[in-house]
Amino acid sequence: QLQLQESGPGLVKPSETLSLTCTVSGGSISSSSYYWGWIRQPPGKDLEWIGSIYYSGSTYYNPSLKSRVTISVDTSKNQFSLKLSSVTAADTAVYYCARGRGYHFNNWFDPWGQGSLVTVSS
Amino acid sequence: EIVLTQSPGTLSLSPGERATLSCRASQSVSSNYLAWYQQKPGQAPRLLIYGASTRATGIPDRFSGSGSGTDFTLTISRLEPEDFAVYYCQQYGSSPRLTFGGGTKVEIK
Repeated sequence: QLQLQESGPGLVKPSETLSLTCTVSGGSISSSSYYWGWIRQPPGKDLEWIGSIYYSGSTYYNPSLKSRVTISVDTSKNQFSLKLSSVTAADTAVYYCARGRGYHFNNWFDPWGQGSLVTVSS
Repeated sequence: EIVLTQSPGTLSLSPGERATLSCRASQSVSSNYLAWYQQKPGQAPRLLIYGASTRATGIPDRFSGSGSGTDFTLTISRLEPEDFAVYYCQQYGSSPRLTFGGGTKVEIK
């Protein structure tokens, strides 16, 4: 059974870079059938797709975050990572990683990691 | 960007009743690329439906999805106690801008 687990600091200072890693177990991140995505949810608010990556390294980002987002993949570790630069309090959220399925980057997501709360505060 | 509007915001029903949730898109969703998720407090979303009407693995048949173009519906035929949660729709036909709706909370009346 595929499982995803987010890891990284729970507290980031304003203007710094948020970094999270998603470790995939029970399956290979190098499968040609899947994509790997990051989605976030501010406390009490809606879900927002951040971006997705294919095992080859191809990426798609939400245009509203594109200038600050980098998603990378490490197939040797079965992990993919998120970096979000120049964070503000508005970036405080639970960050989820998830497996994407569908044609090209037209993805639905299943399963999801349990989520990692990241708070931006000095 | 395709904006998804879910209604109602909150649905108050009793166990055993039928729940009908709406998701309306600001423009046509390509190839009916619409998914539905269930989220319970403190948990990650769980995929229920993709392709507007295909149930995900392990999802009970009391959950069904329908619709096309700009209007989509999630129906729960008979609410079980574990079905009280927040439900989100997501369109994935408009990459690179995948979007989610604002959610419908199904609460116990």
